[in-house]
Amino acid sequence: GAGVSQSPSNKVTEKGKDVELRCDPISGHTALYWYRQRLGQGLEFLIYFQGNSAPDKSGLPSDRFSAERTGESVSTLTIQRTQQEDSAVYLCASSFIDSPLHFGNGTRLTVT
Amino acid sequence: GIQVEQSPPDLILQEGANSTLRCNFSDSVNNLQWFHQNPWGQLINLFYIPSGTKQNGRLSATTVATERYSLLYISSSQTTDSGVYFCAVRFSGGYNKLIFGAGTRLAVHP
Repeated sequence: GAGVSQSPSNKVTEKGKDVELRCDPISGHTALYWYRQRLGQGLEFLIYFQGNSAPDKSGLPSDRFSAERTGESVSTLTIQRTQQEDSAVYLCASSFIDSPLHFGNGTRLTVT
Repeated sequence: GIQVEQSPPDLILQEGANSTLRCNFSDSVNNLQWFHQNPWGQLINLFYIPSGTKQNGRLSATTVATERYSLLYISSSQTTDSGVYFCAVRFSGGYNKLIFGAGTRLAVHP
């Protein structure tokens, strides 16, 4: 594909529900990253994948957050029992090793 | 601890003016990128510049890795340059993640 694709682009959910966010990286990119951006803030690292393993999960804010990746392809970020403070834009990026990151357009999550 | 600091936090320009944005980082890096986040939230790659100087049209960037800073130059600014400019670095020493600065919010008025 031409770029990193994320879906859905917008998600509104009720507090307490689970959500799944999807990221399709650029073909051939072995590294995949998830970031969170709250309104008016900078980007906050969540998790890094190399292939389908996650050597750095240090940014996941709680055990309600998890992510997985299938091979060197699609990744899913799951948030269980969503809270209002989870409202943010969730951004995915991919890259070759030691190369620039390319970001998708993000998923805007609103928890009501 | 490891830090990425950007200045100024906010910048207002008249169309046609030039500006310099700065990024200071606290340790040696093996990746440094400048991004522009437009008013619709899209993050656009401007430069991948862990060291040296690059130019792309009205934009140029310089990273002096030994002194731990990078500069982004915008010349003849246009209203479409408005948005937030982020510097992001990957620190050497086994780190994988790109750490973002807080950004410089630029508004260019006609």
